Amino acid sequence: DIVMTQTPLSSPVTLGQPASISCRSSQSLVHSDGNTYLSWLQQRPGQPPRLLIYKISNRFSGVPDRFSGSGAGTDFTLKISRVDAEDVGIYYCMQATQFPWTFGQGTKVEIK
Amino acid sequence: QVQLQQWGAGLLKPSETLSLTCGVYGGSFSGYYWSWIRRPPGKGLQWIGKITHTGSTNYNPSLKSRVTISVDTSKNQFSLKLTSVTAADTAVYYCARGAGIFGELISRWGQGTLVTVSS
Repeated sequence: DIVMTQTPLSSPVTLGQPASISCRSSQSLVHSDGNTYLSWLQQRPGQPPRLLIYKISNRFSGVPDRFSGSGAGTDFTLKISRVDAEDVGIYYCMQATQFPWTFGQGTKVEIK
Repeated sequence: QVQLQQWGAGLLKPSETLSLTCGVYGGSFSGYYWSWIRRPPGKGLQWIGKITHTGSTNYNPSLKSRVTISVDTSKNQFSLKLTSVTAADTAVYYCARGAGIFGELISRWGQGTLVTVSS
């Protein structure tokens, strides 16, 4: 299985300040079709996860533009340009390049 | 707008079979991939498997011997069965809809069902 490792596991941030989460995969996520199936999901307390970013850097419909994704190969980053109170929750990276699909351990974003 | 509503038993004894169903309302059933994903307490998400509307499945090898995902297109429902459960299967279970080439755009989720395995 591809192991997804996120850092940090906890990220206390000040409202209005940026936040960054790193995700590293144990092997390249470049698929044989040339795409990289790396997504980011957000899970707010008491809610199901929500898709934020797919294929590294594509924002899903309705996702604020303060969220951005970048990276390639085995190293990926989710950035929040200015953290809002509604951004509190756990963030997961997920790979769908190879079965079984796997997730990172999750990064908890909280307000200082 | 499509909604996923799931139901099933929330308390099981060890060795029993977990059975959950997810109904899809207000949207097309064909053309998407239908997944089950779980989150054990204090842990991250684990993908269990997925199915197409035609019944083609992919399972997580770590659970494959115990998992069956099935689909009933006449009712716009899909189901999860997990046999011989243990305490390690205690988790919140989510059904979800995926789009994209492989169903990797998991963009619609059920509300989640807490399943507790305890003697």
